[in-house]
Amino acid sequence: AQSVTQLDSQVPVFEEAPVELRCNYSSSVSVYLFWYVQYPNQGLQLLLKYLSGSTLVKGINGFEAEFNKSQTSFHLRKPSVHISDTAEYFCAVSEGWANNLFFGTGTRLTVIP
Amino acid sequence: NAGVTQTPKFRVLKTGQSMTLLCAQDMNHEYMYWYRQDPGMGLRLIHYSVGEGTTAKGEVPDGYNVSRLKKQNFLLGLESAAPSQTSVYFCASSYSGGEQFFGPGTRLTVL
Repeated sequence: AQSVTQLDSQVPVFEEAPVELRCNYSSSVSVYLFWYVQYPNQGLQLLLKYLSGSTLVKGINGFEAEFNKSQTSFHLRKPSVHISDTAEYFCAVSEGWANNLFFGTGTRLTVIP
Repeated sequence: NAGVTQTPKFRVLKTGQSMTLLCAQDMNHEYMYWYRQDPGMGLRLIHYSVGEGTTAKGEVPDGYNVSRLKKQNFLLGLESAAPSQTSVYFCASSYSGGEQFFGPGTRLTVL
């Protein structure tokens, strides 16, 4: 089964600073990759996804992620964070479009004023 | 569109009681899922369904049952609740796999 690792459980960062949230997965076969965001007491909302094509994927709220097949990584980045970005972020991987998603354990991003 | 809705939002049970969580989606999605979310463990798949009348086990199915009698609804049942089932439960749906749309969650406490 697929394994998804989010290396940092908590990431504090000052407002307007850049941030990178790391995600690595185990499978070497073709994968579909997703980042979801969860605001306090809410469900998960899709930030961005990689299905094929360009390895740099842009999502909502100024986030982007880069798919690196050789390193089996899909790190999430934002050049300048806002207080409203404080949330938990989940990386998820699917080994095929019709297959189930495997989620990482999440990274809690806290933006400090 | 309401998207994915879950009922109830909160529930407190005593050990041994039973209950059913209801998930409904109005997007005509084929696939539906039930997850539980526990601190430090991310989301773990309990059961899923790839179409009306079908169900399948996920990663942590023990202690739960599901039914998909109508395409738009996916029910999660706990026959005899245990404290280990205290969690936040999320339902999700998707058109054919891949990107999933999530409900707001149900916070369940088993005493």
